[in-house]
Amino acid sequence: AQKITQTQPGMFVQEKEAVTLDCTYDTSDPSYGLFWYKQPSSGEMIFLIYQGSYDQQNATEGRYSLNFQKARKSANLVISASQLGDSAMYFCAMRERRGGGADGLTFGKGTHLIIQP
Amino acid sequence: NAGVTQTPKFQVLKTGQSMTLQCAQDMNHNSMYWYRQDPGMGLRLIYYSASEGTTDKGEVPNGYNVSRLNKREFSLRLESAAPSQTSVYFCASSPPIGRAGNEQFFGPGTRLTVL
Repeated sequence: AQKITQTQPGMFVQEKEAVTLDCTYDTSDPSYGLFWYKQPSSGEMIFLIYQGSYDQQNATEGRYSLNFQKARKSANLVISASQLGDSAMYFCAMRERRGGGADGLTFGKGTHLIIQP
Repeated sequence: NAGVTQTPKFQVLKTGQSMTLQCAQDMNHNSMYWYRQDPGMGLRLIYYSASEGTTDKGEVPNGYNVSRLNKREFSLRLESAAPSQTSVYFCASSPPIGRAGNEQFFGPGTRLTVL
């Protein structure tokens, strides 16, 4: 069963509009973390935002915010005032505890976001 | 401060050849990881190392071996490359769980093609 589900393979959004990228997750561990990464066409992985399972408030980082609904197991990324440079693949990922203190990430399949002028 | 570096950036192998992908980080992180990314997919964890001297299998370890040479370096070896291992390989490192953000820092990736 998929642990991270991103249901939007692709999205087209007009520049300056807000956009919401969906992510649902599945875990039985009470302690986990949720991440969003951006991957532009150049291929690097760029960290955007993090939400811990015990965090009381939704995370925000500049134009990025994470709409965390724990009971529904969703962690949607909201980008306000989209820009042409936001065009990229966006991946939702979950940190799960593994042996020895490491915490490998499980990724969704991604959403390809295209911002149109 | 270079962050996470990977060599080589590109590599073409023939089926059955072997090679080692190198990764180093200068952030004094304990944990290091190897992921692969296939077209249209997210990253999948191959192996990870929680600390120097320890390594563990991730989700897709078959066909790979790893070595945590020291705290800085974590290498991935393909003993007998197969076309199914054509992928982009990312190395990452992270601070201990509990630090602010727990962000994983990624290297630029190695694009590997096996013919």
